[in-house]
Amino acid sequence: QVQLVESGGGVVPPGGSLRLSCAASGFTFSRSYMHWVRQTPGKGLEWVAIIWSDGGTDFYADSVKGRFTISRDNSENTLHLQMNSLRGEDTAVYYCAKDAQHATFDYWGQGVMVTVSS
Amino acid sequence: QSALTQPPSASGSPGQSVTISCTGTSGDIGRYNYVSWYQQHAGKAPKLLIHDVSKRPSGVPDRFSGSKSANTASLTVSGLQAEDEADYYCCSYTSIGGADLRVFGTGTKVTVL
Repeated sequence: QVQLVESGGGVVPPGGSLRLSCAASGFTFSRSYMHWVRQTPGKGLEWVAIIWSDGGTDFYADSVKGRFTISRDNSENTLHLQMNSLRGEDTAVYYCAKDAQHATFDYWGQGVMVTVSS
Repeated sequence: QSALTQPPSASGSPGQSVTISCTGTSGDIGRYNYVSWYQQHAGKAPKLLIHDVSKRPSGVPDRFSGSKSANTASLTVSGLQAEDEADYYCCSYTSIGGADLRVFGTGTKVTVL
């Protein structure tokens, strides 16, 4: 069955960096577009970034553009999110999600918490 | 990339129906038939309910249905059950300057009275 397992979360001071990973299994990772979606505690979902299947194309929400970088290793079936210049408003649960075309996320990870605080 | 607008809350008694709206713009919901809906129980990851406006993945009860008119999409939950108490989010595809983007709704908390 499809599994997405995030790791790498934690507490980081403002201005710091963190790298999240998402280990994928149970589907052909190299053929799937992948996303990161975040959820601020007690608030709603926010789409963060997408990376196309070959890793050559990516797009970002305005709120993270220039600070976050999504990447993937198709040989390791792993998705990453490099987060730099972190701010308090980046505090959230970060989910990796599999794309099933047309703005559909058919599988989600369990989420990983990132807290930006001094 | 403004969030789609949903009512903060909705409620109904068991067996009743509740409809949740999701209002966007001519650049997202109004332009593309690519709207999906998600159910999220407290402390859990979201679960796909509806995709491509009105299509249900296998395993999702037919009590859940979706539709769209102009810039507004809707999710209807018929025959409300206690386990339907959750947060619901819509999502739309959008493209700005050729960028492949997504935008979520603000979320609606459904309470079963």
